[in-house]
Amino acid sequence: ETGVTQSPTHLIKTRGQQVTLRCSSQSGHNTVSWYQQALGQGPQFIFQYYREEENGRGNFPPRFSGLQFPNYSSELNVNALELDDSALYLCASRGGTNTGELFFGEGSRLTVL
Amino acid sequence: GENVEQHPSTLSVQEGDSAVIKCTYSDSASNYFPWYKQELGKRPQLIIDIRSNVGEKKDQRIAVTLNKTAKHFSLHITETQPEDSAVYFCAASKESGGYQKVTFGTGTKLQVIP
Repeated sequence: ETGVTQSPTHLIKTRGQQVTLRCSSQSGHNTVSWYQQALGQGPQFIFQYYREEENGRGNFPPRFSGLQFPNYSSELNVNALELDDSALYLCASRGGTNTGELFFGEGSRLTVL
Repeated sequence: GENVEQHPSTLSVQEGDSAVIKCTYSDSASNYFPWYKQELGKRPQLIIDIRSNVGEKKDQRIAVTLNKTAKHFSLHITETQPEDSAVYFCAASKESGGYQKVTFGTGTKLQVIP
């Protein structure tokens, strides 16, 4: 069984640029959510995708957007990067509506200069 | 929205002692409370969880208690070992129709001193 994988692992961008982060969910998992984890903080919920539709969103502005593909992999796009966007971005998948456990990837560490 | 507070932020214990981490939540509709362990540079991993229809759950050296009336829940680790050293996050979640929004606490850095 393949776990959740994310790419890239590290990247550096400058303010105003755009970034795309990618996630492959665990085999058989149809629900993917994205989290932002600032240094020394807990993960903060960005949004969730279920069967290619966004079905929940946290307190993040519209410049944070996403996609889920038919194979349940997912992308997180962030436009007009700001310095405060520097963080670890975690993708998590879960197997169904009645299973609460989140399976996290190793994350993509984004630095905005 | 949901707000989860977690204490303490750091905790040092001697190997073999017990460790207790406490969390409170604000949304009485939250019905699922997981605990995640995150080792340095690694992904968060679920160590135990509890649903709102249960008051206590135990798995070997780890136990979680939930007080719905007071809206707080706690993680208890007994007979701590050096490999228990990590950051622990509590979380509260409301699940409805396939949608799950998980709100995490700010984390507790546990250091087990050999």
